[in-house]
Amino acid sequence: DSGVTQTPKHLITATGQRVTLRCSPRSGDLSVYWYQQSLDQGLQFLIHYYNGEERAKGNILERFSAQQFPDLHSELNLSSLELGDSALYFCASSVDSSGGPQETQYFGPGTRLLVL
Amino acid sequence: ILNVEQSPQSLHVQEGDSTNFTCSFPSSNFYALHWYRWETAKSPEALFVMTLNGDEKKKGRISATLNTKEGYSYLYIKGSQPEDSATYLCAFGAWGTNAGKSTFGDGTTLTVKP
Repeated sequence: DSGVTQTPKHLITATGQRVTLRCSPRSGDLSVYWYQQSLDQGLQFLIHYYNGEERAKGNILERFSAQQFPDLHSELNLSSLELGDSALYFCASSVDSSGGPQETQYFGPGTRLLVL
Repeated sequence: ILNVEQSPQSLHVQEGDSTNFTCSFPSSNFYALHWYRWETAKSPEALFVMTLNGDEKKKGRISATLNTKEGYSYLYIKGSQPEDSATYLCAFGAWGTNAGKSTFGDGTTLTVKP
């Protein structure tokens, strides 16, 4: 158990809908990262928040957005869902004292999204 | 786009065999290399982070080496056990980039047969 929690574990929805995925980082970690893993693809970085502020963006679609709240939990909002958005979405957290690529990330259990 | 390649894609060994696999990454602009272990139905778990050429890290029966000049890292498992069955991911971090922008390889899936 990494100490990172994600809810829900599974989500089934229809095309065109909007969903919100939630992540709570490990106690004391200020950074949250979101990743997408689609079928037959590796982990794709979406976005990074540090202490409430956006730090870096990866391959995140305009239909997707995220935020990190004062209590440090984060939400990933996916809208106008398409079939291709079906994937496993992970969040990870780190202490991120410097934000550099040497930071070890601790991954949550993931949310599996199925868009029908 | 940074190219991080892992080989082999999958590996089947018998319990007690020792095994190793490779992560290849760009040799320029290196900052850090991470290894993660990812068991089925669980989340990736950090094994090692290496930052210096020649680094060797060890955790129990698992060890890793790093060659930043030629751009590769090896992960070794001595005396594989069924519980070692998992996908092993490496992630390359380039200088000046954000931790989240580490590029993950596609992983090596190890199956250890009793």
